[in-house]
Amino acid sequence: EIVMTQSPATLSVSPGERATLSCRASQSVSSNLAWYQQKPGQAPRVLIYGASTRATGIPARFSGSGSGTEFTLTISSLQSEDFAVYYCQQYNNWPPLTFGGGTKVEIK
Amino acid sequence: EVQLVQSGSEVKKPGESLQISCKGSGYSFTTYWIGWVRQMPGKGLEWMGIIYPGDSDTRYSPSFQGQVTISADKSISTAYLQWSSLEASDTAMYYCARLEGGSGWYYYWGQGTLVTVSS
Repeated sequence: EIVMTQSPATLSVSPGERATLSCRASQSVSSNLAWYQQKPGQAPRVLIYGASTRATGIPARFSGSGSGTEFTLTISSLQSEDFAVYYCQQYNNWPPLTFGGGTKVEIK
Repeated sequence: EVQLVQSGSEVKKPGESLQISCKGSGYSFTTYWIGWVRQMPGKGLEWMGIIYPGDSDTRYSPSFQGQVTISADKSISTAYLQWSSLEASDTAMYYCARLEGGSGWYYYWGQGTLVTVSS
């Protein structure tokens, strides 16, 4: 089973600032990685798939990069609606599909 | 419009059985994998397993194999998650979601079903 590790667990950022979230895989997942955003009381929403492709309707301030074992989600200028928990998920080798533990982006 | 609509919240006692459902609409139900994801209170997302309704091919996470049963009735475009004997540790929100193009990521999600197991 591929283990996904996200860091940091919590990220404190001021509105308008840049946020950089990391995700590491225990073995290569090529570019088969997705990022999700989850707000309290809501189902997750996909932001990025294929490591760097924005899903339909996702603003351009969200970008993904990386391949192999190291990935990054960048939010270029945080808006109030971006404060949430973010998860990475690999789909290179499944079952099982595996999620990271999440990064909570909170207001500084 | 693609929709996944899950059954309502449940409150059960330990040892009871339960089946929750996820009804798909707006697309060809038999040609997309449907997965189940658990989220325990205040915790992260855990992938439980997945089913291809077209032929009922089912895969489980090792963590959930033998603990739950995933099934589907393609005649009514509905997937199910079933427990034969609930435990308090099964208390969680459960989401169904549709796998995109067989790739492995989820675009469409159900609204979630909250299962509470308490004596």
